[in-house]
Amino acid sequence: GENVEQHPSTLSVQEGDSAVIKCTYSDSASNYFPWYKQELGKRPQLIIDIRSNVGEKKDQRIAVTLNKTAKHFSLHITETQPEDSAVYFCAANKVTGGGNKLTFGTGTQLKVEL
Amino acid sequence: DSGVTQTPKHLITATGQRVTLRCSPRSGDLSVYWYQQSLDQGLQFLIQYYNGEERAKGNILERFSAQQFPDLHSELNLSSLELGDSALYFCASSVGVGTANYGYTFGSGTRLTVV
Repeated sequence: GENVEQHPSTLSVQEGDSAVIKCTYSDSASNYFPWYKQELGKRPQLIIDIRSNVGEKKDQRIAVTLNKTAKHFSLHITETQPEDSAVYFCAANKVTGGGNKLTFGTGTQLKVEL
Repeated sequence: DSGVTQTPKHLITATGQRVTLRCSPRSGDLSVYWYQQSLDQGLQFLIQYYNGEERAKGNILERFSAQQFPDLHSELNLSSLELGDSALYFCASSVGVGTANYGYTFGSGTRLTVV
């Protein structure tokens, strides 16, 4: 099955700096890669996603890049703010039979310090 | 509010018992997914239903079962509960299935504590 590795597990940055989280996936058939932000005890919230036919996508301070050949994708957050502090999960979606499997990475605890 | 509704929010029960978790998908979404989130296992995919049919299965235990009803709400049944089943259970929904499926929206979860 699909395996998604995520690094780093914890990331501490100063307010205003950039943060980068990297993920690799194992199954070349995966076709959709969302990123989720989860605050403690709350639901995962979709912050950005990218499809396999696109190399890069940006939404204000957040961007995602995808390298299909290397099977890795990254989340970039610029001008970080304290409210960006949360756990971030990457995920890879694979079409399987008549359905879908969304496999998650193990998460990155981002802390933005003042 | 994501539009995906899960009940109950919290559930405390004893080992060996059976519980049912309920999920109503976002309006217009036909696919429902169940995920288990525990501290040591992260977010684990359990099962997907699309328009009443099971479409994909993950690491779901035989003690667990699910179904999706004609009104598209779904229930996850957990039986013979063990301490290790304590976790956050999330439901997610999306519009489609297969290659035309994007944009999973999660509900607020049910926190299950087995004592």
